[in-house]
Amino acid sequence: QQPVQSPQAVILREGEDAVINCSSSKALYSVHWYRQKHGEAPVFLMILLKGGEQKGHEKISASFNEKKQQSSLYLTASQLSYSGTYFCGQRTSGNTPLVFGKGTRLSVIA
Amino acid sequence: KAGVTQTPRYLIKTRGQQVTLSCSPISGHRSVSWYQQTPGQGLQFLFEYFSETQRNKGNFPGRFSGRQFSNSRSEMNVSTLELGDSALYLCASSFAGGDTEAFFGQGTRLTVV
Repeated sequence: QQPVQSPQAVILREGEDAVINCSSSKALYSVHWYRQKHGEAPVFLMILLKGGEQKGHEKISASFNEKKQQSSLYLTASQLSYSGTYFCGQRTSGNTPLVFGKGTRLSVIA
Repeated sequence: KAGVTQTPRYLIKTRGQQVTLSCSPISGHRSVSWYQQTPGQGLQFLFEYFSETQRNKGNFPGRFSGRQFSNSRSEMNVSTLELGDSALYLCASSFAGGDTEAFFGQGTRLTVV
Protein backbone atom coordinates (compact mmCIF):
# COMPACT_ATOMS: atom_id res chain seq x y z
CA GLN A 1 0.00 0.00 0.00
CA GLN A 2 1.35 3.39 -1.04
CA PRO A 3 2.32 5.89 1.64
CA VAL A 4 0.39 9.15 1.57
CA GLN A 5 2.38 12.30 0.94
CA SER A 6 1.34 15.85 1.75
CA PRO A 7 1.17 18.40 0.39
CA GLN A 8 0.79 17.27 -3.22
CA ALA A 9 2.44 20.45 -4.42
CA VAL A 10 4.03 23.52 -2.91
CA ILE A 11 5.54 26.73 -4.25
CA LEU A 12 8.25 28.50 -2.29
CA ARG A 13 10.31 31.61 -2.72
CA GLU A 14 14.06 31.25 -2.36
CA GLY A 15 15.03 31.24 1.30
CA GLU A 16 11.72 29.91 2.58
CA ASP A 17 11.32 26.65 4.46
CA ALA A 18 9.12 23.68 3.65
CA VAL A 19 8.06 20.41 5.24
CA ILE A 20 6.95 17.37 3.28
CA ASN A 21 5.08 14.69 5.16
CA CYS A 22 4.73 10.99 4.50
CA SER A 23 2.33 8.80 6.41
CA SER A 24 1.45 5.12 6.39
CA SER A 25 -1.41 2.96 7.56
CA LYS A 26 1.06 0.22 8.50
CA ALA A 27 3.92 -0.03 10.96
CA LEU A 28 7.09 1.09 9.25
CA TYR A 29 10.52 -0.50 9.18
CA SER A 30 12.24 2.21 7.19
CA VAL A 31 11.51 5.33 5.17
CA HIS A 32 13.47 6.42 2.09
CA TRP A 33 13.45 9.85 0.45
CA TYR A 34 14.30 10.58 -3.19
CA ARG A 35 14.12 13.70 -5.37
CA GLN A 36 13.41 13.67 -9.09
CA LYS A 37 14.05 16.72 -11.24
CA HIS A 38 12.09 17.12 -14.43
CA GLY A 39 13.30 14.71 -17.09
CA GLU A 40 15.85 13.11 -14.80
CA ALA A 41 16.13 9.96 -12.73
CA PRO A 42 15.23 10.00 -9.03
CA VAL A 43 18.20 10.67 -6.78
CA PHE A 44 18.72 9.35 -3.27
CA LEU A 45 18.40 11.77 -0.35
CA MET A 46 18.05 9.81 2.86
CA ILE A 47 17.09 6.59 4.59
CA LEU A 48 15.59 6.60 8.08
CA LEU A 49 15.54 3.32 9.94
CA LYS A 50 13.45 2.07 12.79
CA GLY A 51 15.46 2.75 15.91
CA GLY A 52 16.74 6.13 14.84
CA GLU A 53 19.60 5.43 12.47
CA GLN A 54 19.82 7.72 9.45
CA LYS A 55 21.84 7.46 6.28
CA GLY A 56 22.03 10.27 3.83
CA HIS A 57 23.23 13.67 2.85
CA GLU A 58 24.28 15.99 5.66
CA LYS A 59 22.37 18.97 4.32
CA ILE A 60 19.07 17.11 4.33
CA SER A 61 17.04 16.86 7.51
CA ALA A 62 14.25 14.40 8.19
CA SER A 63 12.42 12.74 11.03
CA PHE A 64 10.80 9.34 11.48
CA ASN A 65 8.09 8.86 14.07
CA GLU A 66 7.58 5.11 14.40
CA LYS A 67 4.57 5.40 16.69
CA LYS A 68 2.74 7.78 14.37
CA GLN A 69 3.92 5.82 11.31
CA GLN A 70 5.07 8.94 9.58
CA SER A 71 8.14 10.75 8.35
CA SER A 72 8.80 14.38 7.50
CA LEU A 73 11.44 15.93 5.24
CA TYR A 74 12.62 19.40 6.19
CA LEU A 75 13.90 21.78 3.54
CA THR A 76 15.34 24.93 5.02
CA ALA A 77 16.47 28.11 3.29
CA SER A 78 15.32 26.66 -0.03
CA GLN A 79 17.32 27.23 -3.19
CA LEU A 80 16.23 27.11 -6.82
CA SER A 81 18.04 23.76 -7.08
CA TYR A 82 15.62 22.22 -4.57
CA SER A 83 12.85 22.24 -7.18
CA GLY A 84 11.62 18.81 -8.18
CA THR A 85 9.31 16.03 -7.10
CA TYR A 86 10.04 14.44 -3.75
CA PHE A 87 9.12 10.83 -3.19
CA CYS A 88 8.97 8.97 0.06
CA GLY A 89 9.26 5.22 0.03
CA GLN A 90 8.45 2.84 2.81
CA ARG A 91 9.32 -0.68 3.83
CA THR A 92 7.17 -2.45 6.42
CA SER A 93 9.70 -5.16 7.24
CA GLY A 94 13.15 -6.32 6.33
CA ASN A 95 11.76 -8.50 3.55
CA THR A 96 9.30 -6.18 1.88
CA PRO A 97 9.94 -4.04 -1.18
CA LEU A 98 10.34 -0.27 -1.21
CA VAL A 99 6.92 1.19 -2.04
CA PHE A 100 6.77 4.85 -2.99
CA GLY A 101 4.10 7.50 -2.56
CA LYS A 102 2.73 9.64 -5.38
CA GLY A 103 5.21 12.42 -4.75
CA THR A 104 5.22 16.07 -3.72
CA ARG A 105 6.03 18.63 -6.40
CA LEU A 106 8.17 21.43 -5.00
CA SER A 107 8.77 24.59 -6.99
CA VAL A 108 11.19 27.22 -5.75
CA ILE A 109 10.95 30.61 -7.42
CA ALA A 110 13.23 33.62 -7.25
CA LYS B 1 31.95 4.59 -12.41
CA ALA B 2 29.21 3.99 -14.95
CA GLY B 3 25.65 4.46 -13.80
CA VAL B 4 22.57 2.35 -14.36
CA THR B 5 21.90 1.86 -18.06
CA GLN B 6 18.46 1.21 -19.44
CA THR B 7 17.78 0.32 -23.04
CA PRO B 8 16.06 1.33 -25.15
CA ARG B 9 15.32 4.87 -23.99
CA TYR B 10 12.18 5.20 -26.08
CA LEU B 11 9.84 2.64 -27.51
CA ILE B 12 6.59 2.78 -29.45
CA LYS B 13 4.54 -0.40 -29.65
CA THR B 14 1.09 -1.38 -30.85
CA ARG B 15 -1.60 -2.83 -28.63
CA GLY B 16 -1.30 -6.59 -28.38
CA GLN B 17 2.44 -6.68 -29.00
CA GLN B 18 5.03 -7.60 -26.43
CA VAL B 19 8.10 -5.70 -25.31
CA THR B 20 11.34 -6.42 -23.47
CA LEU B 21 13.19 -3.74 -21.53
CA SER B 22 16.75 -4.07 -20.31
CA CYS B 23 18.59 -2.76 -17.27
CA SER B 24 22.32 -2.98 -16.61
CA PRO B 25 23.08 -2.15 -12.98
CA ILE B 26 26.16 -0.49 -11.56
CA SER B 27 29.07 -2.89 -11.45
CA GLY B 28 29.03 -4.84 -8.19
CA HIS B 29 25.37 -4.22 -7.49
CA ARG B 30 23.36 -7.39 -7.08
CA SER B 31 19.90 -5.95 -6.51
CA VAL B 32 17.66 -4.58 -9.24
CA SER B 33 14.16 -3.19 -8.77
CA TRP B 34 11.70 -2.08 -11.44
CA TYR B 35 9.11 0.70 -11.17
CA GLN B 36 6.39 2.03 -13.43
CA GLN B 37 5.97 5.80 -13.38
CA THR B 38 2.85 7.48 -14.67
CA PRO B 39 1.59 11.04 -14.09
CA GLY B 40 -0.26 11.25 -10.81
CA GLN B 41 0.57 7.71 -9.67
CA GLY B 42 4.14 8.14 -8.59
CA LEU B 43 6.47 5.16 -8.70
CA GLN B 44 4.59 1.88 -8.72
CA PHE B 45 6.67 -1.13 -7.64
CA LEU B 46 6.92 -3.97 -10.16
CA PHE B 47 9.69 -6.39 -9.14
CA GLU B 48 12.79 -6.76 -7.01
CA TYR B 49 15.58 -9.16 -7.90
CA PHE B 50 18.65 -10.15 -5.95
CA SER B 51 21.28 -12.56 -7.24
CA GLU B 52 18.94 -13.92 -9.92
CA THR B 53 16.08 -14.54 -7.49
CA GLN B 54 12.86 -12.58 -7.45
CA ARG B 55 12.52 -11.32 -3.89
CA ASN B 56 9.31 -9.35 -4.28
CA LYS B 57 6.61 -8.74 -6.85
CA GLY B 58 4.20 -5.84 -7.02
CA ASN B 59 0.50 -5.85 -7.73
CA PHE B 60 0.64 -6.04 -11.51
CA PRO B 61 -1.03 -8.56 -13.83
CA GLY B 62 0.78 -11.66 -15.00
CA ARG B 63 1.50 -9.96 -18.34
CA PHE B 64 4.38 -8.29 -16.54
CA SER B 65 7.35 -10.53 -15.92
CA GLY B 66 11.02 -10.15 -15.32
CA ARG B 67 14.27 -11.94 -14.71
CA GLN B 68 17.81 -11.32 -13.63
CA PHE B 69 20.90 -12.89 -15.12
CA SER B 70 24.09 -14.08 -13.45
CA ASN B 71 25.83 -10.80 -14.31
CA SER B 72 23.02 -8.95 -12.48
CA ARG B 73 21.57 -7.49 -15.67
CA SER B 74 17.82 -7.58 -15.62
CA GLU B 75 15.07 -7.68 -18.19
CA MET B 76 11.43 -6.90 -17.92
CA ASN B 77 8.83 -8.23 -20.32
CA VAL B 78 5.29 -7.05 -20.93
CA SER B 79 3.10 -9.20 -23.13
CA THR B 80 -0.18 -8.33 -24.84
CA LEU B 81 0.38 -4.62 -24.43
CA GLU B 82 -2.51 -2.36 -23.49
CA LEU B 83 -2.83 1.41 -23.89
CA GLY B 84 -2.62 1.77 -20.11
CA ASP B 85 0.87 0.28 -20.11
CA SER B 86 2.21 3.52 -21.56
CA ALA B 87 4.60 4.82 -18.93
CA LEU B 88 8.17 5.49 -17.94
CA TYR B 89 9.75 2.28 -16.68
CA LEU B 90 12.58 2.85 -14.23
CA CYS B 91 15.04 0.41 -12.84
CA ALA B 92 17.10 0.97 -9.73
CA SER B 93 20.18 -0.90 -8.65
CA SER B 94 21.77 -1.20 -5.25
CA PHE B 95 24.48 -3.26 -3.67
CA ALA B 96 22.22 -5.37 -1.54
CA GLY B 97 18.69 -4.04 -1.85
CA GLY B 98 16.78 -3.42 1.35
CA ASP B 99 17.87 -0.31 3.16
CA THR B 100 20.77 0.67 0.95
CA GLU B 101 21.01 3.61 -1.43
CA ALA B 102 19.47 2.86 -4.80
CA PHE B 103 20.64 4.37 -8.09
CA PHE B 104 18.03 4.85 -10.78
CA GLY B 105 18.50 4.65 -14.52
CA GLN B 106 17.11 7.23 -16.94
CA GLY B 107 14.22 4.95 -17.74
CA THR B 108 12.55 3.57 -20.84
CA ARG B 109 9.62 5.61 -22.13
CA LEU B 110 7.09 3.12 -23.53
CA THR B 111 4.21 4.39 -25.63
CA VAL B 112 1.49 1.95 -26.64
CA VAL B 113 -0.67 3.03 -29.60
